[in-house]
Order: sequence, then C-alpha cells, then structure tokens
Amino acid sequence: GAVVSQHPSRVICKSGTSVKIECRSLDFQATTMFWYRQFPKQSLMLMATSNEGSKATYEQGVEKDKFLINHASLTLSTLTVTSAHPEDSSFYICSARRWGWTSGGTNTGELFFGEGSRLTVL
Amino acid sequence: DQQVKQNSPSLSVQEGRISILNCDYTNSMFDYFLWYKKYPAEGPTFLISISSIKDKNEDGRFTVFLNKSAKHLSLHIVPSQPGDSAVYFCAASGETSGSRLTFGEGTQLTVNP
Repeated sequence: GAVVSQHPSRVICKSGTSVKIECRSLDFQATTMFWYRQFPKQSLMLMATSNEGSKATYEQGVEKDKFLINHASLTLSTLTVTSAHPEDSSFYICSARRWGWTSGGTNTGELFFGEGSRLTVL
Repeated sequence: DQQVKQNSPSLSVQEGRISILNCDYTNSMFDYFLWYKKYPAEGPTFLISISSIKDKNEDGRFTVFLNKSAKHLSLHIVPSQPGDSAVYFCAASGETSGSRLTFGEGTQLTVNP
C-alpha cells in the first residue's frame, strides 16, 4: 500500500534555531500535501496545504514566516520551523493524497498520513 | 470554534463487547466523514469512511453510522479486541475526496482482556 514517511521522527533543538521536517510519499506522486499539528490530548489541527510548484495555503492564525513550507517535487514537502520557541514544541504530522480509480470507475483521493515528528524546543 | 466534537475523551470496554465511539459536527457543509485510529507517537491510520448519501457503512468489525439530521456519527467495533486500544479520531470534509479534514479531539479506547 501507499506509504508516507516523515523524517525525523523526533527532534530536540535549542530555542532560536530552525528545524526542518521532511514528508515524502514513497510510492506515489502527491501534488498536494497537508501539514497538521497536534497538542497533547487535542485534535489534529490543519496548519497548511502544501501545493507542488506553488505557495502553500496557510490556515488562519498560522504564521507563514514561522512555518515555512516547500513542496519542490511531487514526492517531497518540507516544513521548517524557524526561530523555534518552546511553545512550538508539538507533534507535527503530514498527509498526502493519492488519486486512484475504483473498480466502479470513480476517481477518488485517499489520504495517507506520515508517522509524525515530535519536536521539542528547549 | 470546534466544528467536529468527540465529547468522550475516553472509553473502556471488555474484550468481546461492542465499542461505540461518538462524534458530532456542526458544519452542514460536511459531506464526507472518516474515522482514524492512532497509536502513541505514530500518525493516524485510516479505518473507515462514509459519504453523506449513506447512513451506514460496514467493513468487517467496524461499522460507521451517520445521522445527518442530528449531525451525528458513530463508530461501532464488534467484537472489541485488546489490539483495538488506541485513540480514535473522527474527521469531516466538505469534499467527497476527503482531502481537507477537520478532526475531532479524539477518544481513547481501552479494551480490557
């Protein structure tokens, strides 16, 4: 089946540094990827939609200069947390949509999620 | 504004019994609903989905029921197994492809042997 991989799975960094998280679709091409953030015991919150070859679309309240998203190829999107602060510590998850045809001839897009990346900012 | 709500943060059931997880939504534009299962420090994995044109979808031990008038959906797991212990998220989308999702807060299911 389709696999979406994130790297690194865990990262600890000092306050003020930048951290890059990669999201790869391993056996399919994804023109659109999504980045979510999860705080403890809370739901997954959509941060932004990453579009291959164009600018990402950010959700309201998400700082685009803080969370830089680059979708340079059809299999890779990166999220860079710039000038990280302790409040940026969270679990970041990406997802990618794979389009396919059902046996009934319907074109559907199924979402697959990465394993997540735990960021801890000291 | 929490458009998708799972009011029970946790649920504990005995192995072999039925687990019922509930989800309510407020946005009447949602027309596609999904359930995901999540283990600690892992990404969510897809379980089952339902389109708003249906009121029930079944896949093995998992059945999702949708009550559009009440804006309510539920996930039934029967029989429950210890390996089902995880956090379950319901999610909703305004597109049938289910790409841009709004998630509930999740319910921690514990199935006791």
